Amino acid sequence: SAVISQKPSRDICQRGTSLTIQCQVDSQVTMMFWYRQQPGQSLTLIATANQGSEATYESGFVIDKFPISRPNLTFSTLTVSNMSPEDSSIYLCSGDSGSGNEQFFGPGTRLTVL
Amino acid sequence: GESVGLHLPTLSVQEGDNSIINCAYSNSASDYFIWYKQESGKGPQFIIDIRSNMDKRQGQRVTVLLNKTVKHLSLQIAATQPGDSAVYFCAENRDRTGFQKLVFGTGTRLLVSP
Repeated sequence: SAVISQKPSRDICQRGTSLTIQCQVDSQVTMMFWYRQQPGQSLTLIATANQGSEATYESGFVIDKFPISRPNLTFSTLTVSNMSPEDSSIYLCSGDSGSGNEQFFGPGTRLTVL
Repeated sequence: GESVGLHLPTLSVQEGDNSIINCAYSNSASDYFIWYKQESGKGPQFIIDIRSNMDKRQGQRVTVLLNKTVKHLSLQIAATQPGDSAVYFCAENRDRTGFQKLVFGTGTRLLVSP
């Protein structure tokens, strides 16, 4: 299976600022996804990062708040914009080769907004 | 609304016992189910999956059972070890295009005592 890394692993940010999280896969994947996991809770899909086109957002998530880039088949970024304490969460990216195999996850980025 | 959920938030077992973690789902159209293990500070790790045309699938020390009649999924871990302590999530795939758009359950914390 592919190995996914994320940067930063954690950050503490001030209200009103923005943070960009990077996700790097060690092999090409067809689909990449971004999830949010609030403390002690399950994972919620934010959006599907499409290579060469705009990301597809789930209900409750919008591009202005969570802009996503996917410049190639191994890399994606998620920006958390104009942060508030409610954005404090773990953000995870994942990859899917699309061949019916498992979806594998990065280690997550733990974000705390003060 | 449709959801994937779990019956028990925490399961405590003794080392060597067998563990059973349950999950209920409500979308009868879901065709693929996955169990993930998440250790503290890490991303979810794939354990085992099962397609809707199967009732049972076995891996190394793990078995997944699918009961489509009552929309129930279970993960059985044989001879549970302290290293099995983690949060376990079931997830269902609701995207039928071939790529996994996963909906995660609420999670069960498994605590294994030596």
